Amino acid sequence: DQQVKQNSPSLSVQEGRISILNCDYTNSMFDYFLWYKKYPAEGPTFLISISSIKDKNEDGRFTVFLNKSAKHLSLHIVPSQPGDSAVYFCAASGGTASKLTFGTGTRLQVTL
Amino acid sequence: GAGVSQSPSNKVTEKGKDVELRCDPISGHTALYWYRQSLGQGLEFLIYFQGNSAPDKSGLPSDRFSAERTGGSVSTLTIQRTQQEDSAVYLCASSVDRDFYGYTFGSGTRLTVV
Repeated sequence: DQQVKQNSPSLSVQEGRISILNCDYTNSMFDYFLWYKKYPAEGPTFLISISSIKDKNEDGRFTVFLNKSAKHLSLHIVPSQPGDSAVYFCAASGGTASKLTFGTGTRLQVTL
Repeated sequence: GAGVSQSPSNKVTEKGKDVELRCDPISGHTALYWYRQSLGQGLEFLIYFQGNSAPDKSGLPSDRFSAERTGGSVSTLTIQRTQQEDSAVYLCASSVDRDFYGYTFGSGTRLTVV
């Protein structure tokens, strides 16, 4: 039962353009959402988060949007840079859960 | 150390053998998590330790898997009688309590069962 879904396994975007990574969830108890970035042979690193009381959170080039009614969140990267090429994981937590539930990841390739 | 340290970074083992994976968390982090990532899958929760509380073992896939955390610091994940489906990258993370902002992952152990 995949409670957090990232339906696009890969995405290719030109440098300078916007990258949009999508994530859907099924568990209505989730109230905190995070995005992690992972380079090869490294562990995931925290990128940005949003709680369910907000619908948008911005940090520099990165913005996360949350649509609770659709159980959908997205990560926007503007402008995209070659160093953004990595695998991006969406994760969620909720209630008294002590763990994060992760999606399967989207591999972003930013081309010159 | 400054980060979460995992060893070994790579492990190849024969089917049926036991393996031990080690995680050294960030000093002062009371919460420690084990996840694994199989090919084409997301990060799958395995087990969670928080201070002196009983661990949350709800993610362990079978009784061949066990983990311990000694002295509230180093943790060892043991897989007995390894199977080919155990092949994955095993990731450890630590944080202060359940602070997901401070969830710091190690670089993982890539386990290959042949």
